[in-house]
Amino acid sequence: GAGVSQSPSNKVTEKGKDVELRCDPISGHTALYWYRQSLGQGLEFLIYFQGNSAPDKSGLPSDRFSAERTGGSVSTLTIQRTQQEDSAVYLCASSLIMGPADTQYFGPGTRLTVL
Amino acid sequence: AQSVTQLGSHVSVSEGALVLLRCNYSSSVPPYLFWYVQYPNQGLQLLLKYTSAATLVKGINGFEAEFKKSETSFHLTKPSAHMSDAAEYFCAVINTSGTYKYIFGTGTRLKVLA
Repeated sequence: GAGVSQSPSNKVTEKGKDVELRCDPISGHTALYWYRQSLGQGLEFLIYFQGNSAPDKSGLPSDRFSAERTGGSVSTLTIQRTQQEDSAVYLCASSLIMGPADTQYFGPGTRLTVL
Repeated sequence: AQSVTQLGSHVSVSEGALVLLRCNYSSSVPPYLFWYVQYPNQGLQLLLKYTSAATLVKGINGFEAEFKKSETSFHLTKPSAHMSDAAEYFCAVINTSGTYKYIFGTGTRLKVLA
């Protein structure tokens, strides 16, 4: 079946603009995670969804970052008033249920460049 | 809190030689450990995972890892490197106090020399 998909694959924006990043998880996966991969910070957790609710937003770096998930499926990560330090690859992952042994399946990522 | 440390940000091996990528963990509870591989411009792909069932874990592409509690290690090995193994490898531990998010190491970039 289809894996996790993300769009766009690349996004170049100007400082101060808003961007939306989309994640389509594997069908039936209830858990969805967003991570960020950057040169200075490595791979870091941003936010977790179980269904449509986000019980863990502890990794969001500032209030410019927000995310939602609708219908227990598609998720959108929004970054308002982008800054150059937001430049990174944003990865989405999903898993069937929430459990420590569950494998998280990753999408190909969205590469965000803020000029 | 859990954490992992990957020793060596870059490792080079000759084709056909042993691959050894190091990962040490810190956890106050029995850990769940994962190795992922990332090829250029791609997402992360699971190589193998330790979930306490067996200390020697075999994964895809000929990779395996051994969980050693006494050494708090989960090193990744492959007997014979192939050119296609060139990639970045990440060790991760599950944060078990809540939402099971991954805590990643800083990654090791493997280069395979012809």
